Amino acid sequence: RKEVEQDPGPFNVPEGATVAFNCTYSNSASQSFFWYRQDCRKEPKLLMSVYSSGNEDGRFTAQLNRASQYISLLIRDSKLSDSATYLCVVNMESSYKLIFGSGTRLLVRP
Amino acid sequence: DADVTQTPRNRITKTGKRIMLECSQTKGHDRMYWYRQDPGLGLRLIYYSFDVKDINKGEISDGYSVSRQAQAKFSLSLESAIPNQTALYFCATSGFSTGNGNIQYFGAGTRLSVL
Repeated sequence: RKEVEQDPGPFNVPEGATVAFNCTYSNSASQSFFWYRQDCRKEPKLLMSVYSSGNEDGRFTAQLNRASQYISLLIRDSKLSDSATYLCVVNMESSYKLIFGSGTRLLVRP
Repeated sequence: DADVTQTPRNRITKTGKRIMLECSQTKGHDRMYWYRQDPGLGLRLIYYSFDVKDINKGEISDGYSVSRQAQAKFSLSLESAIPNQTALYFCATSGFSTGNGNIQYFGAGTRLSVL
């Protein structure tokens, strides 16, 4: 079993749609959680950290469910520019190591 | 200018050649990392360094070596390149002493093809 699992997609949605991605992680000792965005052939960039209480940044909302060991990302009012691969990333406290999911691809169509 | 710079951006080489990928950063971070990315596999850690005197193997270090020449420079070498090392390579940094050490910042990547 992979340490971090994501549905690879692609999710193909029209502009203005709401789309949600889930990610599950296997290590219950994981402490820090992130969503990174990666455009085609480019570097991953931090989209947002994920906090236990959930957090929102504009059209993006991240949630963490420790009991079920999953993280979610909700994108409202999708824009064409949201088309990218979204990487779920997990880290254990006091550890150097980030564990990356293989990503979920989102395609937003006009 | 980019905070994390990788050179070269693209490289084609032949089997058996030794090549070096370079990474430099202006973020003042103490930690640096090398990853490779293959389609469908996500990013995998090759080596990481917490400071100039601290070098550690990641999950896929065989066939690679690294050198941390200064706090701002971390290079990756393929001692004898083979075709299955064809991949996209990323350098990343994080600043334990400057804030959230868990957030990593990536260079633009080096696309390597081994023929």
